[in-house]
Amino acid sequence: DIQMTQSPSSLSASVGDRVTITCRASQGIRNALGWYQHKPGKAPQRLIYGASSLQSGVPSRFSGSGSGTEFTLTISSLQPEDFATYYCLQHNSYPYTFGQGTKLEIK
Amino acid sequence: EVHLVESGGGLVQPRGSLRLSCAASGFTFSSYEMNWVRQAPGKGLEWVSYISSSGKTIYYADSVKGRFTISRDNAKNSLYLQMNSLRVEDTAVYYCARGYNCGYWGQGTLVIVSS
Repeated sequence: DIQMTQSPSSLSASVGDRVTITCRASQGIRNALGWYQHKPGKAPQRLIYGASSLQSGVPSRFSGSGSGTEFTLTISSLQPEDFATYYCLQHNSYPYTFGQGTKLEIK
Repeated sequence: EVHLVESGGGLVQPRGSLRLSCAASGFTFSSYEMNWVRQAPGKGLEWVSYISSSGKTIYYADSVKGRFTISRDNAKNSLYLQMNSLRVEDTAVYYCARGYNCGYWGQGTLVIVSS
């Protein structure tokens, strides 16, 4: 199985900050990676697909990069509605695996 | 607009059974692969099962293999998860997600396994 190591597990930041979250795959997954935002009681929302493509309707302050084994999600200028938990998902091979999650909190 | 609505969750005793449903609308259901994903209380997301658009190819996480069965009815635009021999550790919110890459998700249905 492919292990996804996500860091940091939690992050405290302020509105307007630039934030980066990283996922590392235990083996190469090409660009078969998505990033998700999850708020309590709501459906997870995909932000990025194919490692770097912005999901339709998602603000351009979100961006993704990487290929192979190392991937990053960047939020260029945090907004109040961005405080949530973020996950990466590898869909290169089954069983699919998620990163452990990054809880983004207000400083 | 893509719409996925899960139902069928509830309280069940250990070793009991439950059948979850996911009603799809706003897209051609029969053209899409589907997945089930769950989140236990206070934990992260865990992929559970996959089914191809035709239903012929199926995968399961090791944690549910032999106990859960995924299926679909393309005529009814519906996805199912039959859960048998339930364990306390199966307690979670269960989500259905559209596509091989889980592009859209429903709001989830809560399953509580407890005596």
